[in-house]
Amino acid sequence: KAGVTQTPRYLIKTRGQQVTLSCSPISGHRSVSWYQQTPGQGLQFLFEYFSETQRNKGNFPGRFSGRQFSNSRSEMNVSTLELGDSALYLCASSSASNYGYTFGSGTRLTVV
Amino acid sequence: SQKIEQNSEALNIQEGKTATLTCNYTNYSPAYLQWYRQDPGRGPVFLLLIRENEKEKRKERLKVTFDTTLKQSLFHITASQPADSATYLCALDGGDKIIFGKGTRLHILP
Repeated sequence: KAGVTQTPRYLIKTRGQQVTLSCSPISGHRSVSWYQQTPGQGLQFLFEYFSETQRNKGNFPGRFSGRQFSNSRSEMNVSTLELGDSALYLCASSSASNYGYTFGSGTRLTVV
Repeated sequence: SQKIEQNSEALNIQEGKTATLTCNYTNYSPAYLQWYRQDPGRGPVFLLLIRENEKEKRKERLKVTFDTTLKQSLFHITASQPADSATYLCALDGGDKIIFGKGTRLHILP
């Protein structure tokens, strides 16, 4: 059974650009969540999608957005990148909240 | 506001001993509490989930306790091995969202 796949693994962007990250969940998992991980703040919840609808949202500015497709694949977009957006972005999928989450290996975004 | 704290940033334990990690929380009533392991450069890996009405859960050398009165969970690794060295994260799931602690870096010394 394939795990959660995130692409790309590494990305370098310049300030002001925008970026799109992709996540393919485990087959059959309809819930996809996104997290930002930095050394100082730890894992911060961005948003969760379920059946193409955003179900929950964390405290991030509107520059951070996401969507989910009918096949449960998800993308997140960050516009007008800032240096502080440099982080590991993790995607997690779940069949139900009481079974734990399966994380991908993440996308390491560096903004220069 | 909701707050989750893990007892220390780093913990050194001698091989063969029991490692105990602590997770405390405030202003939250989670339905579930989860523990994850994270290795450098990788995503967290789910280890155990314990429900609010469960006191203890075990899986091989791992044991988790959950005290909703103290608002605390303890995570134990018995007969620890150097391969257990990693960062361990606790996470609270209230059903609407999940929040993570910053983690404890565990070093098992040979």
